[in-house]
Amino acid sequence: DVVLTQTPPTLSATIGQSVSISCRSSQSLLHSNGNTYLHWLLQRPGQSPQLLIYLVSRLESGVPNRFSGSGSGTDFTLKISGVEAEDLGVYYCVQGTHAPYTFGAGTKLELK
Amino acid sequence: EVQLVESGGGLVQPGRSLKLSCVASGFTFSNYGMNWIRQAPGKGLEWVAYISSGSSYIYYAETVKGRFTISRDNAKNTLYLQMTSLRSEDTALYYCARLPFFDYWGQGVMVTVSS
Repeated sequence: DVVLTQTPPTLSATIGQSVSISCRSSQSLLHSNGNTYLHWLLQRPGQSPQLLIYLVSRLESGVPNRFSGSGSGTDFTLKISGVEAEDLGVYYCVQGTHAPYTFGAGTKLELK
Repeated sequence: EVQLVESGGGLVQPGRSLKLSCVASGFTFSNYGMNWIRQAPGKGLEWVAYISSGSSYIYYAETVKGRFTISRDNAKNTLYLQMTSLRSEDTALYYCARLPFFDYWGQGVMVTVSS
């Protein structure tokens, strides 16, 4: 099974600070169809997860452009350029390239 | 508006069965693969099962293989998860979510396995 290793597990940030979260895969997430099914989700406290970024770098509709994703193969990054209070919660990467699909363990973003 | 609404959860004794449902609306359900994902209290997300749009492809996590069955009725816009031989470690909030991008999630339904 594909293992997604997210770092750091916890991130303390001030409002306006830029932060990055890493997601490393135990094998390439490049699908035979040419897509890389690596996505980023945010779960705010008490809420269902919501999609932020899909296919590595595509911004989901309605998501602020301070969120960006990058990477390829086995190494991926989510960047928040200027944290806002509403960004607090747990961030997950998820891969949909290889079944069984898998999630990273999550990165909790909290206010410093 | 896309909506996914789960139901069927509750308190069940170990070894018993339970069937979850997820009713979809606001999109052409038969065009999308669907997942079940669960989250144990205070823990992260765990992918449980996948079914393709026409039910041709089905995958399970090893932790539930042989005990859980995913299915769908495209005429009723409904996704199902039949859970048998339930264990305490199956206690979790169960979500349905749309593929291929996990772009829509339900509100979740709680399953508690306890004697």
